[in-house]
Parts: sequence; C-alpha cells; structure tokens
Amino acid sequence: AQTVTQSQPEMSVQEAETVTLSCTYDTSESNYYLFWYKQPPSRQMILVIRQEAYKQQNATENRFSVNFQKAAKSFSLKISDSQLGDTAMYFCAFMLSGNTGKLIFGQGTTLQVKP
Amino acid sequence: GAGVSQSPSNKVTEKGKDVELRCDPISGHTALYWYRQRLGQGLEFLIYFQGNSAPDKSGLPSDRFSAERTGESVSTLTIQRTQQEDSAVYLCASSPQLNTEAFFGQGTRLTVV
Repeated sequence: AQTVTQSQPEMSVQEAETVTLSCTYDTSESNYYLFWYKQPPSRQMILVIRQEAYKQQNATENRFSVNFQKAAKSFSLKISDSQLGDTAMYFCAFMLSGNTGKLIFGQGTTLQVKP
Repeated sequence: GAGVSQSPSNKVTEKGKDVELRCDPISGHTALYWYRQRLGQGLEFLIYFQGNSAPDKSGLPSDRFSAERTGESVSTLTIQRTQQEDSAVYLCASSPQLNTEAFFGQGTRLTVV
C-alpha cells in the first residue's frame, strides 16, 4: 500500500520570502505521479504542480517548484516570493500510473504568509 | 457549468437520518471520484466511477455508504442512518481520463447533530 507523509502541520513565512514544504511517500511501484494541491478556505482543491516519476527534471510552475528525490522518496514544494494569497492548506498526493487515478493524500500543511 | 458542482454546499442533519450528496462533473469527464475530508485532515478516497460503473469502492467506510452515477453525468453519494463520525467535508472530483488532472468541486460540509 502507498502512504504519503507530511511532517509539518503548520508553517509560516514572511511575504516575499521563500518557504519549503516537505513530503515523503512510500511505494514499491516505479511508475507514478506526485502532486501538490492547495486548499484555501473556500475548500476547493487547486492543483499547484505535478511531477511524473519517470522524469528526472524537477517540475516548475512560476513561483512554485519541487525537489523530487526518487531514491529517497521525497517530494518537497518550494514557494518563492511568497504572497498573501498563498495562505492555504497544502496537500501532497500520490497516484499510481495506469491505475484508477485514485489520489492518496498526506495530512496537509497549513501555510500562513505574514505581511 | 465550467467546473465540478456539488450540492448542497452545507448540510446539517440529525443522527439516524439519511442524506444524499450530489456531484455534477465537468461535461465529458469519464472519471469521477468521491473523497472525505475530516476536520484538519487529508482527503480519504471513498469510491471511483469510470462511466457509470464503480471499479473501486474500496474506500467506502461501511455499508451505510453507497454511490451511483448516471451515465457519465451526475453522481449521488448516499449515507444512510448518519452517525456523528460521518461529519466531514465530502469532495467530488472528475477527470477526462486516467492519469490526468483531477478537478475538484467545493465540497459538501456535512454536520450530523
């Protein structure tokens, strides 16, 4: 069975600074996808970034980038130039390739961006 | 509509009553998922539909929970004889095909009193 662990329940960062959220996962499979989702108070889950396990290059989306370490089963999210609108709960998620598309989520990290 | 729509947005029910939660996926999306999110927790998978069949029901917590889907359209999650531990946000997501981005609705917050 696959598991996802986020060891930081809460984090805070000053506006314009950089913050890194940690995620580790466990699987015996080699083909999978990893995601970071953002959940603001509106409850809607918003996809932030996606990484295919077969790709060695780390994914980047504007201010968001990941550090994907496949051997260590680590998938951290770096947010650069943090903005007040980044305040939200962030979830790391795992999905097996070629499977049902079911996502397995971590427990989440609440990020507070302070002015 | 443009996104996944869930109704009602909030539901308060008395213990022991049955509730129905509705999900309208994005038009054309064949895959549909239900997740449960307890307060301050991550999302737990409940059930997955491909078209109107449910190949994976492994996450349904008990036989009080059931779901159905009409064609590649609306899905209904039914909870019978609700218990206080059923209180949570129930989120629905749809995707156009496997291994692609899942688009989430805003969820239904269920409170059992």
